[in-house]
Amino acid sequence: KAGVTQTPRYLIKTRGQQVTLSCSPISGHRSVSWYQQTPGQGLQFLFEYFSETQRNKGNFPGRFSGRQFSNSRSEMNVSTLELGDSALYLCASTTRLAGAAYNEQFFGPGTRLTVL
Amino acid sequence: GQQLNQSPQSMFIQEGEDVSMNCTSSSIFNTWLWYKQEPGEGPVLLIALYKAGELTSNGRLTAQFGITRKDSFLNISASIPSDVGIYFCAALNYGGSQGNLIFGKGTKLSVKP
Repeated sequence: KAGVTQTPRYLIKTRGQQVTLSCSPISGHRSVSWYQQTPGQGLQFLFEYFSETQRNKGNFPGRFSGRQFSNSRSEMNVSTLELGDSALYLCASTTRLAGAAYNEQFFGPGTRLTVL
Repeated sequence: GQQLNQSPQSMFIQEGEDVSMNCTSSSIFNTWLWYKQEPGEGPVLLIALYKAGELTSNGRLTAQFGITRKDSFLNISASIPSDVGIYFCAALNYGGSQGNLIFGKGTKLSVKP
């Protein structure tokens, strides 16, 4: 079955602009998580959505927001972009079965955001 | 906050050599994971560990969940060129959000044929 898809794959924006990234999970997966990956900080958790509700949020400013639609597709938005927001943004989907020690997260290829 | 200290940061080895990398923390975790990321791709899960002391293999890869629950190790035997990539450890606590993985900074592996 098809993997996690993210669009666009590459994006260039300027400071102060806003950006919206999209993630389509694997069919049947209802949980989507977003991560920011930079050379300095590594992979950092942004937020998780399950059944259209944000379930958990990482330590990022309010400029970072997200949502999930009824078909489990998710978007994340970054407003008032800063140079430091340049990063690879990864989304991951999982089934999120209750009681499981760990439901494997499947990552998409990411969106490379460059802020000039 | 919780942090994972992963070492080494990078490794340059000859094809056929064995590789070891580890991840430590001052916090206790219930689950340890090892991922590999290749250029232009997202991380892919290699091994998941759920119990202290657990030793799990996946082909030439072997990982262990430390007995103190504060560390984990990954070994790759007889490395080959396709092992090139960045290896990440990750951890979480059962009962927490499945999405809230904490990642190490990664070990970049280069293999010389």
